[in-house]
Amino acid sequence: ETGVTQSPTHLIKTRGQQVTLRCSSQSGHNTVSWYQQALGQGPQFIFQYYREEENGRGNFPPRFSGLQFPNYSSELNVNALELDDSALYLCASSFSGEADTQYFGPGTRLTVL
Amino acid sequence: QKEVEQNSGPLSVPEGAIASLNCTYSDRGSQSFFWYRQYSGKSPELIMFIYSNGDKEDGRFTAQLNKASQYVSLLIRDSQPSDSATYLCAVLPLSGGYNKLIFGAGTRLAVHP
Repeated sequence: ETGVTQSPTHLIKTRGQQVTLRCSSQSGHNTVSWYQQALGQGPQFIFQYYREEENGRGNFPPRFSGLQFPNYSSELNVNALELDDSALYLCASSFSGEADTQYFGPGTRLTVL
Repeated sequence: QKEVEQNSGPLSVPEGAIASLNCTYSDRGSQSFFWYRQYSGKSPELIMFIYSNGDKEDGRFTAQLNKASQYVSLLIRDSQPSDSATYLCAVLPLSGGYNKLIFGAGTRLAVHP
């Protein structure tokens, strides 16, 4: 157990809808990164939040957005869902002083119909 | 050329044998290297990280890094059926102030009794 929690565990949406995924970081960690993992692939970096600001972004469109709160928890929002957004969404927390060691939560499995 | 490459497997080894998992990366400036284990339907679990050339041992696991050859490997000694999982290699490249892990697609390991 890493101490990183995510909710919900599973989610089913239809094309065009919007979704919000949540993550609570491990105690003592102040940085949250989000990854998307399609079936049979490695995780792909979406973005990272530090001190409530986005400080890095991967190759994902603007309809993927996020927030980080003062308690370091985070949300990932996806608008205008597409079928290809079906994936496992992973949140990873880390401490900025050791920011290269990232610990993953259990993930949220999103299915878009 | 993919940034991080792994053989997809499956790599099948008998119980008690040594499993050898390999990974190559393209960014010569990469700083840190990680091995994650992922059971089917679960999130990635950090096994080991390595920063310096050479070997790093932790129990039954040994990570090996050769920056000149841009190659990192994971050896699992005395393989057990419980080691059957997908092993993800991840690389932390030099980036603009944030920590974005680049993952390979993973190697599936099957340890048979």
